[in-house]
Amino acid sequence: EDKVVQSPLSLVVHEGDTVTLNCSYEVTNFRSLLWYKQEKKAPTFLFMLTSSGIEKKSGRLSSILDKKELFSILNITATQTGDSAVYLCAPSKAGGTSYGKLTFGQGTILTVHP
Amino acid sequence: DGGITQSPKYLFRKEGQNVTLSCEQNLNHDAMYWYRQDPGQGLRLIYYSQIVNDFQKGDIAEGYSVSREKKESFPLTVTSAQKNPTAFYLCASRSDRAYEQYFGPGTRLTVT
Repeated sequence: EDKVVQSPLSLVVHEGDTVTLNCSYEVTNFRSLLWYKQEKKAPTFLFMLTSSGIEKKSGRLSSILDKKELFSILNITATQTGDSAVYLCAPSKAGGTSYGKLTFGQGTILTVHP
Repeated sequence: DGGITQSPKYLFRKEGQNVTLSCEQNLNHDAMYWYRQDPGQGLRLIYYSQIVNDFQKGDIAEGYSVSREKKESFPLTVTSAQKNPTAFYLCASRSDRAYEQYFGPGTRLTVT
């Protein structure tokens, strides 16, 4: 059975802090690891990582994938109140009828205080 | 504007009634998905469809049914057999050959 574990489950920081969110996974037929941000309703897509060791960056957000140790981290530097959200990681599968199927972790709730 | 729409935003039903949640996309995406989210939890896959007239069960399909008669539409019926139907339901779609899914705004279903 596919398994995705995120840690910590919740995190409270002050503006300007740097945070690291963790995602470990055990998924058959793994293809990519996706990160989403969920504020009030629909999750919005942040990153997709396919190759190990490749760091993706988008402004203050960056992410690394380690396919050998089966984990990914999402870093947010200089946090702002607008970063407050639930962050979800989701490995995706390759091939066959499961192509593109995502398994979501339980999420990390990030709260950034002014 | 391209996107995914779900209706209604909020839905209230009495126990024992079937209810159908709508999901429409005009992104020309082949694959569509239904997820359920409970408070403090991640998303769990109910059903998905990679192509018109075909769909597969996800991890928690019991008590739900779907159809995919048109590429743009993937309605979900929550039947009276679903033991705990109160939840937030999210629909998503994905382009062929891509991995990222894009989500609709969700429907919050309350059954009393």
